[in-house]
Amino acid sequence: EPEVTQTPSHQVTQMGQEVILRCVPISNHLYFYWYRQILGQKVEFLVSFYNNEISEKSEIFDDQFSVERPDGSNFTLKIRSTKLEDSAMYFCASSVLRWNTGELFFGEGSRLTVL
Amino acid sequence: AQTVTQSQPEMSVQEAETVTLSCTYDTSESNYYLFWYKQPPSRQMILVIRQEAYKQQNATENRFSVNFQKAAKSFSLKISDSQLGDTAMYFCALAQSGGGADGLTFGKGTHLIIQP
Repeated sequence: EPEVTQTPSHQVTQMGQEVILRCVPISNHLYFYWYRQILGQKVEFLVSFYNNEISEKSEIFDDQFSVERPDGSNFTLKIRSTKLEDSAMYFCASSVLRWNTGELFFGEGSRLTVL
Repeated sequence: AQTVTQSQPEMSVQEAETVTLSCTYDTSESNYYLFWYKQPPSRQMILVIRQEAYKQQNATENRFSVNFQKAAKSFSLKISDSQLGDTAMYFCALAQSGGGADGLTFGKGTHLIIQP
């Protein structure tokens, strides 16, 4: 059964370093997303991506964040200069239909620890 | 902004029992979608059930059903004949039909434990 895969499963980084989280969405899906969950908090929407551009983004998704689909299969989230408060589980998801109507398929998450 | 509240951080029931997880939400939209997602330990979140707000009939999927009370803004999940494999975090989520910067808004989750 097709799955969304994410790498790395866990990354530890120093504050101020750049981090790239990678995702391989399900191949026939058109919409891609990043969500994050700070420990003990809610899962929060970061950004949605469709047709090679950002379609929606939340207030959390500031200039420190960027997304890219460099090669038609990978979907990446870059954090330019990590802060302690960026420590969280980051979930990638994809869907056939737009997020507000269709089922999202999530990856297992990438745990980011910023020291 | 829309909000989703799950008031039960953890629940525990015996196998084969019926359990109901509660969820309340707030939105200014008249049409929207509601979801329950399940996240087993160390596994991906998967969709359990989905409800469109304009449909009065409660959604059902095998042992899973919802009690959707639009006026009360309540969307509870009932699991019948619970099984050990139902042990997971359950997240209630809301999506506005018009989309928007809130994305899919999740509650904090309920950790459901099914005891043998």
